[in-house]
Amino acid sequence: DTAVSQTPKYLVTQMGNDKSIKCEQNLGHDTMYWYKQDSKKFLKIMFSYNNKELIINETVPNRFSPKSPDKAHLNLHINSLELGDSAVYFCASSRGLAGVYEQYFGPGTRLTVT
Amino acid sequence: AQRVTQPEKLLSVFKGAPVELKCNYSYSGSPELFWYVQYSRQRLQLLLRHISRESIKGFTADLNKGETSFHLKKPFAQEEDSAMYYCAPSLESQGSQGNLIFGKGTKLSVKP
Repeated sequence: DTAVSQTPKYLVTQMGNDKSIKCEQNLGHDTMYWYKQDSKKFLKIMFSYNNKELIINETVPNRFSPKSPDKAHLNLHINSLELGDSAVYFCASSRGLAGVYEQYFGPGTRLTVT
Repeated sequence: AQRVTQPEKLLSVFKGAPVELKCNYSYSGSPELFWYVQYSRQRLQLLLRHISRESIKGFTADLNKGETSFHLKKPFAQEEDSAMYYCAPSLESQGSQGNLIFGKGTKLSVKP
């Protein structure tokens, strides 16, 4: 039973394309997140959703748009991909606030933009 | 600005040696603090949190408010401890809703 799953695991695409990464959690959590991990392993939060509503939107280009169709899903859509978007993207979820509750992470999606 | 610092990018020790992964934070309030770990080819997972005061896999972390530090320690490192370790204090500022800010991580390598 995978708690937090992401698809695809690897994504290779060309500059200018539009792509989506899907995330699903079966833990019944209220809060979901997207993180970006760069080549130096630096992990930075991008978005946070609570009960399908956006609560955190860090300084992220508006080419990135999260979509939460329901509490169990938080998808990440990226328009006009750029070389600098290449990274590993992690989805995570928690029962409540990240500062209080443990976050459960997905396996990551390695995005390569050529 | 609120931030977290892990000064060592890479820490290499021999098996059986003590290990200390440093973490310093600068926050106006009293954050909750976490250590997350990422083993090779595995997902990021919680190692321990300040509030629970547990010892997990032999690791402990003490919050030192005077030094604003939350160093992770283990008296005898094992090869299976080799991983990437992230210190993560939570923000309590308005609007952040308890968001976690991750340090840049320290890669621990335990040699046989």
